[in-house]
Amino acid sequence: DTGVSQDPRHKITKRGQNVTFRCDPISEHNRLYWYRQTLGQGPEFLTYFQNEAQLEKSRLLSDRFSAERPKGSFSTLEIQRTEQGDSAMYLCASRHGTSYQETQYFGPGTRLLVL
Amino acid sequence: DQQVKQNSPSLSVQEGRISILNCDYTNSMFDYFLWYKKYPAEGPTFLISISSIKDKNEDGRFTVFLNKSAKHLSLHIVPSQPGDSAVYFCAANYGGATNKLIFGTGTLLAVQP
Repeated sequence: DTGVSQDPRHKITKRGQNVTFRCDPISEHNRLYWYRQTLGQGPEFLTYFQNEAQLEKSRLLSDRFSAERPKGSFSTLEIQRTEQGDSAMYLCASRHGTSYQETQYFGPGTRLLVL
Repeated sequence: DQQVKQNSPSLSVQEGRISILNCDYTNSMFDYFLWYKKYPAEGPTFLISISSIKDKNEDGRFTVFLNKSAKHLSLHIVPSQPGDSAVYFCAANYGGATNKLIFGTGTLLAVQP
């Protein structure tokens, strides 16, 4: 088990372009989360998947953001028409089981810079 | 509304001494608390956790204390080592169907050799 992986680790794009990030959770973890972290802040929840179903979306997730987890394994987060305010670290986490005491394990993140 | 607060942005400690990082929360519905350690350009690494039904959990050099009546938790690191230098985040499990985490803003710990 190699942990949660994310790709790419870094992305620089111009304003108005679309970007897509990928997350591969720990195998057999059926719960997957996306968070966003900006400078000086803690990670903020964006969205949650249980298997392939997207069960919650934060109001931070504007219409330009879309996330999928088509087969209940890896997940993608797409940002359309990027804006400079989208510059942040995008973090993926996964956990196993239904107990509230299960730990979320994070990937290394994708750092996005929008010019 | 910041439901999880870490009021000390930074802390400097001498190697070998105790580091105490503090965290306050406002929502009494939080049922599980976690501490994560984060290095620059990396994702948060899980450190230690505590359920709301306990008041202490210990793992090696790390101990977390929970005071439910004060809505306060603290992380003690003894003895502190230079490799402990990182940003420490307190997180609370929101519970419900999602179990999303609510994070504080972090405390930068610097352990001086």
